[in-house]
Amino acid sequence: EPEVTQTPSHQVTQMGQEVILRCVPISNHLYFYWYRQILGQKVEFLVSFYNNEISEKSEIFDDQFSVERPDGSNFTLKIRSTKLEDSAMYFCASSVELAERTDTQYFGPGTRLTVL
Amino acid sequence: DAKTTQPTSMDCAEGRAANLPCNHSTISGNEYVYWYRQIHSQGPQYIIHGLKNNETNEMASLIITEDRKSSTLILPHATLRDTAVYYCIVRAGGTSYGKLTFGQGTILTVHP
Repeated sequence: EPEVTQTPSHQVTQMGQEVILRCVPISNHLYFYWYRQILGQKVEFLVSFYNNEISEKSEIFDDQFSVERPDGSNFTLKIRSTKLEDSAMYFCASSVELAERTDTQYFGPGTRLTVL
Repeated sequence: DAKTTQPTSMDCAEGRAANLPCNHSTISGNEYVYWYRQIHSQGPQYIIHGLKNNETNEMASLIITEDRKSSTLILPHATLRDTAVYYCIVRAGGTSYGKLTFGQGTILTVHP
């Protein structure tokens, strides 16, 4: 069964460093998403991406964040200068337009980002 | 998207049916009810969704009341592996391929 994959599973970085989190969405999907979950808190939406551009972003997704689909398979989230409060689980999700005009998002296993 | 209300936690005995309620009294006509679950800190796992008819798949059944103001997710034979946080999410259909808004969900504990 197709699934969303994410690498690395755990990333440790120093405050102020840049990190890139990688995701391989399900191959025939058209819509891609990033969410994050700070330990003990709710899953929060960050950004959605379609047709090589951002379609929606949250207040969390400020200028320090960017997303890219550099090739036909990868979808990346870059944090330019990490802060302690960026420590969280980051989940990638993808979805496809279905005939019944709803979409179901499928999530990857997550990358645990620890900023020291 | 409409707001949902779920109990904070529930218990269920292994092998019994787990019935997880969700209230969404402000749901509008084009909004679907989605259920996801999250085991430990894994990625949310899709379970089922529906608009107004009851739905069943290999994981669960979804019962939506006629007025659509509430729904129940049913795990027919709960196992220990079903222990997780269960999220009820109401979301517009059509071309609104946007975010899922997660609440706190219901912590379901399945015990032997």
